[in-house]
Amino acid sequence: QKEVEQDPGPLSVPEGAIVSLNCTYSNSAFQYFMWYRQYSRKGPELLMYTYSSGNKEDGRFTAQVDKSSKYISLFIRDSQPSDSATYLCASANQGGKLIFGQGTELSVKP
Amino acid sequence: DSGVTQTPKHLITATGQRVTLRCSPRSGDLSVYWYQQSLDQGLQFLIQYYNGEERAKGNILERFSAQQFPDLHSELNLSSLELGDSALYFCASSVNGRNTEAFFGQGTRLTVV
Repeated sequence: QKEVEQDPGPLSVPEGAIVSLNCTYSNSAFQYFMWYRQYSRKGPELLMYTYSSGNKEDGRFTAQVDKSSKYISLFIRDSQPSDSATYLCASANQGGKLIFGQGTELSVKP
Repeated sequence: DSGVTQTPKHLITATGQRVTLRCSPRSGDLSVYWYQQSLDQGLQFLIQYYNGEERAKGNILERFSAQQFPDLHSELNLSSLELGDSALYFCASSVNGRNTEAFFGQGTRLTVV
């Protein structure tokens, strides 16, 4: 079992939809949770960073961490075609290496 | 543009060969990380250097090695290449050694034929 599991999709939504991306993790020691966006043939770009449980909002993006269920979510409101990319979740413990999910490929259709 | 520069962008080589990938971190960043991204394994951490010293090791094969030079640029050496080494190799850098605050380069696409 991988330490961070993510449905690879692909996920296709119409423009303007609310997108929900999810990951689960197995290591209770994880304290840091990240979401990266990766466009085709580009490097991952950090979108959201959360420490421990709770919600964090940045514009159209909201990250949620539920440590009791070991569940990580990213919500994208009013999705745009420019949001089409692969979204990677990642987790780490204090001083530890980043463990990435497989990535979910998202396509937002105009 | 993240400010992390990787060269070359593409590399095609034969099995058994050796290649060197190069990374220049963002100005002021002391730490460099190397990652491998393949279709079956996803994005995996290989190794981290901080100010010239190895700080953490991940799933790096013995055929692979890396170093960080005094000017803080880093090189990843891959030897005795196999078909399964074909992947995207990313370098990331951070100012303080925290991988949660690292910026990724554009990657080197390695194809082993």
